[in-house]
Amino acid sequence: SAVISQKPSRDICQRGTSLTIQCQVDSQVTMMFWYRQQPGQSLTLIATANQGSEATYESGFVIDKFPISRPNLTFSTLTVSNMSPEDSSIYLCSVVVPNTEAFFGQGTRLTVV
Amino acid sequence: AQSVSQHNHHVILSEAASLELGCNYSYGGTVNLFWYVQYPGQHLQLLLKYFSGDPLVKGIKGFEAEFIKSKFSFNLRKPSVQWSDTAEYFCAVKNNYKLSFGAGTTVTVRA
Repeated sequence: SAVISQKPSRDICQRGTSLTIQCQVDSQVTMMFWYRQQPGQSLTLIATANQGSEATYESGFVIDKFPISRPNLTFSTLTVSNMSPEDSSIYLCSVVVPNTEAFFGQGTRLTVV
Repeated sequence: AQSVSQHNHHVILSEAASLELGCNYSYGGTVNLFWYVQYPGQHLQLLLKYFSGDPLVKGIKGFEAEFIKSKFSFNLRKPSVQWSDTAEYFCAVKNNYKLSFGAGTTVTVRA
């Protein structure tokens, strides 16, 4: 299993600013994943973060808007840049342990005003 | 690319009724299948998973799911629901470490 600590748990931000979300895992993992869950919707994968290389972004997400860092095998950050109210969502960090399930952080509830 | 379809957007039922939520996926290769639940105000929790073996898998809280490979389906069932089963249910498919989620089904159980 994997225990994921994500912070902040929630934040209210002004439009035009940026927020960095941190994700810490209690074990070394090759890949970490960042998801967005907009109000009333399912989870959408933003990007896959690999240690030592650039993140791989899904269609509709770009590095300039969602820069990701992955400095080591237990930590990653996602930044939501130049925020607008449309960025109000829950952002989740996840890891997949081989031959088992995906584990999720508790999420960051972001409100942009 | 793989996709996951959940047939029902919102299901409303009474306590003790039976529940079945449909899930189909599009990927033809080897996949791992999951059902997650999200109770109001809480984060995702795993209900059950299928990797291989017996296609009928049992999860927590009395839930079970059946993997039918020929139909690319992984439907979730519970014989008798409780008010506390009110939640959002997500089917998910994992291939090569990437997890794809269905749109989710909101289940409302009336007391």
